Amino acid sequence: NAGVTQTPKFQVLKTGQSMTLQCAQDMNHEYMSWYRQDPGMGLRLIHYSVGAGITDQGEVPNGYNVSRSTTEDFPLRLLSAAPSQTSVYFCASSRTSRSGNTIYFGEGSWLTVV
Amino acid sequence: AQTVTQSQPEMSVQEAETVTLSCTYDTSENNYYLFWYKQPPSRQMILVIRQEAYKQQNATENRFSVNFQKAAKSFSLKISDSQLGDTAMYFCAFMNHMEYGNKLVFGAGTILRVKS
Repeated sequence: NAGVTQTPKFQVLKTGQSMTLQCAQDMNHEYMSWYRQDPGMGLRLIHYSVGAGITDQGEVPNGYNVSRSTTEDFPLRLLSAAPSQTSVYFCASSRTSRSGNTIYFGEGSWLTVV
Repeated sequence: AQTVTQSQPEMSVQEAETVTLSCTYDTSENNYYLFWYKQPPSRQMILVIRQEAYKQQNATENRFSVNFQKAAKSFSLKISDSQLGDTAMYFCAFMNHMEYGNKLVFGAGTILRVKS
């Protein structure tokens, strides 16, 4: 069972470069989210989606774009990377029952912007 | 907006002993969920335990149990018979009941080191 798959696991970018972090889930989950983890700050929500074609901003959306063209995929785009975006990024997915269902996390993507 | 506070950045415990990690939260909601996640050095996010606010009974999962004090907005995690494999970062997290998008609010985390 693949669960939530994130690629790449590690990436080094130069300031100003663009890139896309990929996230795919094979559980037919409607809800998907992106979080970033920084030292001393826990995980913070960047963007989330409640279904194909529907996305919304989280707590720290600036500098990131998302789209959801299929149920399975939820890519996170950095249009012009900045050193402040150096972080560990987690994708998560869950069902829509909104009853505190289990949230499944990917293994994380380490991004360094130099 | 909800906030989650973990006031202990780091803790250590001897193997086989008991340790308690603290978590407080702030919300005006009455129905919600609280979680403890474990993050070992691999960075994988592992759900340890979950509590539904409408349940008065504290949740337990094997060696892990919580002390949920709704009025005080406190949600501590007790780990009994600590094992070396419990060494990890622990995050407390909050979710509103019927939360659109199942969005989690996390605390800053507590690093737990279990010593042999």
